[in-house]
Amino acid sequence: DTEVTQTPKHLVMGMTNKKSLKCEQHMGHRAMYWYKQKAKKPPELMFVYSYEKLSINESVPSRFSPECPNSSLLNLHLHALQPEDSALYLCASSQPLQGATEAFFGQGTRLTVV
Amino acid sequence: AQSVAQPEDQVNVAEGNPLTVKCTYSVSGNPYLFWYVQYPNRGLQFLLKYITGDNLVKGSYGFEAEFNKSQTSFHLKKPSALVSDSALYFCAVRGPLSGGYNKLIFGAGTRLAVHP
Repeated sequence: DTEVTQTPKHLVMGMTNKKSLKCEQHMGHRAMYWYKQKAKKPPELMFVYSYEKLSINESVPSRFSPECPNSSLLNLHLHALQPEDSALYLCASSQPLQGATEAFFGQGTRLTVV
Repeated sequence: AQSVAQPEDQVNVAEGNPLTVKCTYSVSGNPYLFWYVQYPNRGLQFLLKYITGDNLVKGSYGFEAEFNKSQTSFHLKKPSALVSDSALYFCAVRGPLSGGYNKLIFGAGTRLAVHP
């Protein structure tokens, strides 16, 4: 099983709403990631979790709050977002972080902030 | 600093013809290079990677890539293109270790359009 599952596939939220994106993998990977991707652009790294601990925060605004409850799950909590936060949010996972390991990506959540 | 460049925004190929999507890299140390494909409204799918060894790397869906150290290139190739290969292709390189993590650095992407 090389699948990373993200829910929901689409999300529309108002600027005062609170919502969460969910990601799950059962490949035994101990590194999990959130990326943000704007149309026709490469993915931009947001957060990296290694062994359920936050390793990297790429200076992401606090209105995005990641959580890693266990080695298979990764959440991204959203609060008071702005319209410019509308994008495709991708979750990925891989074996431990260094070197030559490839990352496996989910299908993404298409987020629209209105 | 580690970086990759994809010099073509779009590549157009007729079905059945060979295709090449170009990527050049700039790294200090050994390059770990990757190709990913993205279909519309989907996540990225891993195609292949180069770590060391044979310069010709074979991957998924009939794709292969040729690592050329002297030209610092890692071009993606396929002998016979299919319409279903039409997608956005990203080249990527592992960056230096920072915070216990080798960040994946993506190129800008190349849109491949295969015409019947």
